[in-house]
Amino acid sequence: SQQGEEDPQALSIQEGENATMNCSYKTSINNLQWYRQNSGRGLVHLILIRSNEREKHSGRLRVTLDTSKKSSSLLITASRAADTASYFCATVGTGRRALTFGSGTRLQVQP
Amino acid sequence: DGGITQSPKYLFRKEGQNVTLSCEQNLNHDAMYWYRQDPGQGLRLIYYSQIVNDFQKGDIAEGYSVSREKKESFPLTVTSAQKNPTAFYLCASSEGGGNQPQHFGDGTRLSIL
Repeated sequence: SQQGEEDPQALSIQEGENATMNCSYKTSINNLQWYRQNSGRGLVHLILIRSNEREKHSGRLRVTLDTSKKSSSLLITASRAADTASYFCATVGTGRRALTFGSGTRLQVQP
Repeated sequence: DGGITQSPKYLFRKEGQNVTLSCEQNLNHDAMYWYRQDPGQGLRLIYYSQIVNDFQKGDIAEGYSVSREKKESFPLTVTSAQKNPTAFYLCASSEGGGNQPQHFGDGTRLSIL
């Protein structure tokens, strides 16, 4: 099964609202990464949070990491229609040498 | 501009045919990766390469083959042994090991004729 799983699978909000997506993973990690994918395009790296960090900010993005619960959340504040995309978390699990991606959260921001 | 170029954008395969997807990067990255993405799903790792002339199988390598003769290039061949090849294929690269952020190309969509 996937190392990372996002929740919810789909999210629809109005422009200006905040969007929160969650990610759970199974094994110990060095870091956790979040990516965005616009429809029909490649993924774009958003933010990386290390296992010894609890919170990280980048512009309108806020990521938290709780290693005791093996979970992370991505908060997008003051969302815009251009934020409409799928969002994936990714980790390198124990014994692996490459990222494992979750199945993603599809975010729809209504103008 | 540095980046990853995948070609072609769309590809059609006939039954029994092998097809090769191109991936070129000018980021001077050591590591390169191939992923498969099915509709509404996440990415599954096919093959990865940490260094020239070396590559490793990922989670779904059966029916695929790769080569890494040059640092910039990591082509993926979808062989006739891959019975369900219809998918979106993504190539990525990273500076070092698997923990590093990955840069992605814009993908190749492969369909069966």
